[in-house]
Amino acid sequence: DPKIIQKPKYLVAVTGSEKILICEQYLGHNAMYWYRQSAKKPLEFMFSYSYQKLMDNQTASSRFQPQSSKKNHLDLQITALKPDDSATYFCASSQEVGQTSGNTLYFGEGSRLIVV
Amino acid sequence: GDSVTQTEGLVTLTEGLPVMLNCTYQSTYSPFLFWYVQHLNEAPKLLLKSFTDNKRPEHQGFHATLHKSSSSFHLQKSSAQLSDSALYYCASSVYAQGLTFGLGTRVSVFP
Repeated sequence: DPKIIQKPKYLVAVTGSEKILICEQYLGHNAMYWYRQSAKKPLEFMFSYSYQKLMDNQTASSRFQPQSSKKNHLDLQITALKPDDSATYFCASSQEVGQTSGNTLYFGEGSRLIVV
Repeated sequence: GDSVTQTEGLVTLTEGLPVMLNCTYQSTYSPFLFWYVQHLNEAPKLLLKSFTDNKRPEHQGFHATLHKSSSSFHLQKSSAQLSDSALYYCASSVYAQGLTFGLGTRVSVFP
C-alpha cells in the first residue's frame, strides 16, 4: 500500500483556473515537501514544511500556496493556472528536516498536471 | 549556494557492461549524498546514501563512494541489466529543503 497518497493522479485544467493537489502521508514523518518535475527542470524543490510550519519556499510565484491542515497533510493550491505550470508535482516526506541528519525523502507517485 | 552536477544527460549501453554515472557537489557544509532512481511513470526511490568519507554503500548491485576531497559521489555497477533502465538523480541534503537534486542521468540498457 502506498504510504504517501497524492490526488488526483492526472489532471487537465484550463488556463486561468485554480486547482488543489492533495497529499497525505502515513509514515509518521514530521517534514513534508513539494517538488515539481518537468522536461525543463527535473525535480525542482518548491516548499518544505516541518511540524506544519513553512521552512523554505523556493517558488517565485505566489500563485502556488501550500496548505497544511494536519501534520500529515500538505496540499498545494495553484491559482491562475498557466500552460507553463504543466508538470508532475511530487509530494515527499522525511522524518525530520535537517542538513546533516541524512533523512531519506520518500516520494508519492505524483500528480500529473496538464494546463491547456 | 548548494548544487549537484551530473555531467551525463543520457547514457546508453549494452546489457552486461559496466556503468558509471558521475556526480559532484558543492556545499557550504558537509552534506549527506544520495542516489535516487526513477523508473518510467513511477516515483523517485532511494538507491543509496552516504555521509562517511571513503565508505562504499551498496544496493541492488550499485555502489558509490563518497570522496570529500574531490566532492564526488559517482555511481557504479559492474554489469548493467535491462531493468536498470531509468532516470538516476544524485542529490545532497540541504537544510530545510530536504534535498537538492542534479539534473538527472537517463540510463538506457539494450540487449
